[in-house]
Amino acid sequence: AQTVTQSQPEMSVQEAETVTLSCTYDTSENNYYLFWYKQPPSRQMILVIRQEAYKQQNATENRFSVNFQKAAKSFSLKISDSQLGDTAMYFCAFMKPRGTYKYIFGTGTRLKVLA
Amino acid sequence: DAGITQSPRYKITETGRQVTLMCHQTWSHSYMFWYRQDLGHGLRLIYYSAAADITDKGEVPDGYVVSRSKTENFPLTLESATRSQTSVYFCASGMYTEAFFGQGTRLTVV
Repeated sequence: AQTVTQSQPEMSVQEAETVTLSCTYDTSENNYYLFWYKQPPSRQMILVIRQEAYKQQNATENRFSVNFQKAAKSFSLKISDSQLGDTAMYFCAFMKPRGTYKYIFGTGTRLKVLA
Repeated sequence: DAGITQSPRYKITETGRQVTLMCHQTWSHSYMFWYRQDLGHGLRLIYYSAAADITDKGEVPDGYVVSRSKTENFPLTLESATRSQTSVYFCASGMYTEAFFGQGTRLTVV
């Protein structure tokens, strides 16, 4: 069974600084997808970024980028130029695109951006 | 409006009562999911559905029942609510590129 581990329950960063959130996962699959979701205080789950395992290139979405290390089964999220609106819970998720399409989530990292 | 909606947003119920949480999506996604979110556990999968009339258990299915008679609806029923089922419940629909979530239902069992 696949597992997703986020070892940082809470983090903080100064506004305009850069922060990296860690995520590791365990799977025997070769083809899969990885995601970072943001959950602000509104509780809404928002997709931040998606990585396809067969792609070598790290995904980037504006200030958000990932460091995908397939062999190490590591998928960290880097937030550059942190903004107060980035304050949220961040969840890492794994999905195997065969069969059930289940999304397996980590326990989350609560990020606070400080003014 | 297109999207995925859950109702109610908030619910307080008593131990032993039956409660149904509703979920409706307008995209005609085949796959739908129910998760519960608890501090320290992240989102845990309760049940999922690959299509109408096809459902299967997730990680924490005990005490819950689902049905999916229509593609767009995926209700979750707590047959006899217990305090341990106090949680925030999320419905989602999706495909391999993204899972789309409802706004969540905060359920309190007293």
